[in-house]
Amino acid sequence: GESVGLHLPTLSVQEGDNSIINCAYSNSASDYFIWYKQESGKGPQFIIDIRSNMDKRQGQRVTVLLNKTVKHLSLQIAATQPGDSAVYFCAQTPGAGSYQLTFGKGTKLSVIP
Amino acid sequence: AAGVIQSPRHLIKEKRETATLKCYPIPRHDTVYWYQQGPGQDPQFLISFYEKMQSDKGSIPDRFSAQQFSDYHSELNMSSLELGDSALYFCASSKGGGQTLYGYTFGSGTRLTVV
Repeated sequence: GESVGLHLPTLSVQEGDNSIINCAYSNSASDYFIWYKQESGKGPQFIIDIRSNMDKRQGQRVTVLLNKTVKHLSLQIAATQPGDSAVYFCAQTPGAGSYQLTFGKGTKLSVIP
Repeated sequence: AAGVIQSPRHLIKEKRETATLKCYPIPRHDTVYWYQQGPGQDPQFLISFYEKMQSDKGSIPDRFSAQQFSDYHSELNMSSLELGDSALYFCASSKGGGQTLYGYTFGSGTRLTVV
């Protein structure tokens, strides 16, 4: 039978298009939200973070949006490139000054050349 | 730039054996975190240390223990290994006692396979 967690949600995008990866979180007390990129066999790589008192933050080709009303976080990647193919995780801190991260379910991004 | 170093990269053990995973943080980082990532799963926090003292504890089994040494490296000791312990084990380090995300960096992980 199928094991829970072995099949990641997958997003396939054409090279050059924009990608949007979504994440729902549960802890409204969190003070930091972070997006990580994980390539096969490697550790999570920091992409961008956002404090809970912000609703948008932009980096190089990436934008994170935070909607605390519906507990939703999104990562937008502009002009997606083949090198962006990876699994993307959102993570949050528990708040109260702790930085043990709670990760959300990953999304596998596949870029079609 | 120096990164977080984990050793070994791969480890194969039999059921009921013990394993020791090592983590060497980025120089001048004083905080170490351990995470476990099963196949197709998200990383799960196990335990963290700041200045050689345990700072947070997550879903770490009683069969596992960890410590941080005077040079800030950390070791995760796993006993009575079970098949379900097969996973990627990541270490992350930061500076500031877990009070900041400053420099929070993950290592490349140790892949443990229990047979």
